Amino acid sequence: DAGITQSPRYKITETGRQVTLMCHQTWSHSYMFWYRQDLGHGLRLIYYSAAADITDKGEVPDGYVVSRSKTENFPLTLESATRSQTSVYFCASGAGGELDTQYFGPGTRLTVL
Amino acid sequence: QQPVQSPQAVILREGEDAVINCSSSKALYSVHWYRQKHGEAPVFLMILLKGGEQKGHDKISASFNEKKQQSSLYLTASQLSYSGTYFCGTEKNSGYALNFGKGTSLLVTP
Repeated sequence: DAGITQSPRYKITETGRQVTLMCHQTWSHSYMFWYRQDLGHGLRLIYYSAAADITDKGEVPDGYVVSRSKTENFPLTLESATRSQTSVYFCASGAGGELDTQYFGPGTRLTVL
Repeated sequence: QQPVQSPQAVILREGEDAVINCSSSKALYSVHWYRQKHGEAPVFLMILLKGGEQKGHDKISASFNEKKQQSSLYLTASQLSYSGTYFCGTEKNSGYALNFGKGTSLLVTP
């Protein structure tokens, strides 16, 4: 039972390149989320999705694109990476409902040179 | 909209108690508490809903004061394994997106 996985776990890229971070969950959760975590800022929501083909912006969406064609996958694309996007990216998923919460993947550490 | 956590950091000796607070300027629907160890993903601890009661989980419990828009996490008789960064995530309505605080770093020493 893999739960929620992210790939790659580590990525180094250069300014201006396109990068896609993958997120896959095996729970059939309706909701999926992307966060970035930076020292001093905590976890900030980039985008989230309530179901396949439904996405919405979070607190810091600029420079990022998401898609959700299948329930289990929620890729995050940096169309033209910038140094300010160097961060640890966490994907999370949840079933929704009053007593449910979000379950986090292991994270991807992205460095933009 | 980001909730404010206090204190930012705390150091305890094993067996001591600690309280971590989470305050919001907006009316809240729920508060979620997570713990994150260095280099790992946040792990869910508990959720408190508007109108709900204080929750408990072993020696970690939490309360939610709706009128003050504040939640507190209580760690009793702390253990070395409690070390990590604690985050509160707040939800304004049942739309499920969370706003997280900046975290409270907790270190338990022998």
